[in-house]
Amino acid sequence: SAVISQKPSRDICQRGTSLTIQCQVDSQVTMMFWYRQQPGQSLTLIATANQGSEATYESGFVIDKFPISRPNLTFSTLTVSNMSPEDSSIYLCSVFSAWVSYNEQFFGPGTRLTVL
Amino acid sequence: GNSVTQMEGPVTLSEEAFLTINCTYTATGYPSLFWYVQYPGEGLQLLLKATKADDKGSNKGFEATYRKETTSFHLEKGSVQVSDSAVYFCALSVALNYGGSQGNLIFGKGTKLSVKP
Repeated sequence: SAVISQKPSRDICQRGTSLTIQCQVDSQVTMMFWYRQQPGQSLTLIATANQGSEATYESGFVIDKFPISRPNLTFSTLTVSNMSPEDSSIYLCSVFSAWVSYNEQFFGPGTRLTVL
Repeated sequence: GNSVTQMEGPVTLSEEAFLTINCTYTATGYPSLFWYVQYPGEGLQLLLKATKADDKGSNKGFEATYRKETTSFHLEKGSVQVSDSAVYFCALSVALNYGGSQGNLIFGKGTKLSVKP
């Protein structure tokens, strides 16, 4: 399996500020994703992080609000910009790699964000 | 489009009771089906999966069978324990071609299970 770490594990932020979340994988992976899990809700895909090019965003999510980087096959960052209390969620990094396990997607432990 | 419909909770059971959490899906292409579990305060973990029709996924006493005819993937356990208390998510990914790469996961809304001693 792929081992995924996320930093920070949790944070409390002020309205209007930005937070960058890091995702590190212990092996090279083909695909990396960022999900949001709002309190009491299911997971919603924010975007697919593409190495060396702009991320692919799902409907309702835009680059200005959630800029994403993926400089290599093991690392990605998600920034939550100009935060508001509605951004309070758990943000999860997820990876897929046919080299590791066919048809299985692995998840990081998540970053619990609270915006005051 | 592709979607997952999952039985809504919360579900409260006594220890050793039988558990069923219903999950149905709609998909174009070649779906794979998953159950993920999220224990309190922890991240999401894959519980079991099935990649083709009639496959049965099993783990930790939980089972689910991929039923193409009813487009279902219901989760079952014969005797639940207090330690099974968690939120369970049914999920789907779809390949456009047989044996092709799977797309991203589409999740159901989750079912919170509480098991009382």
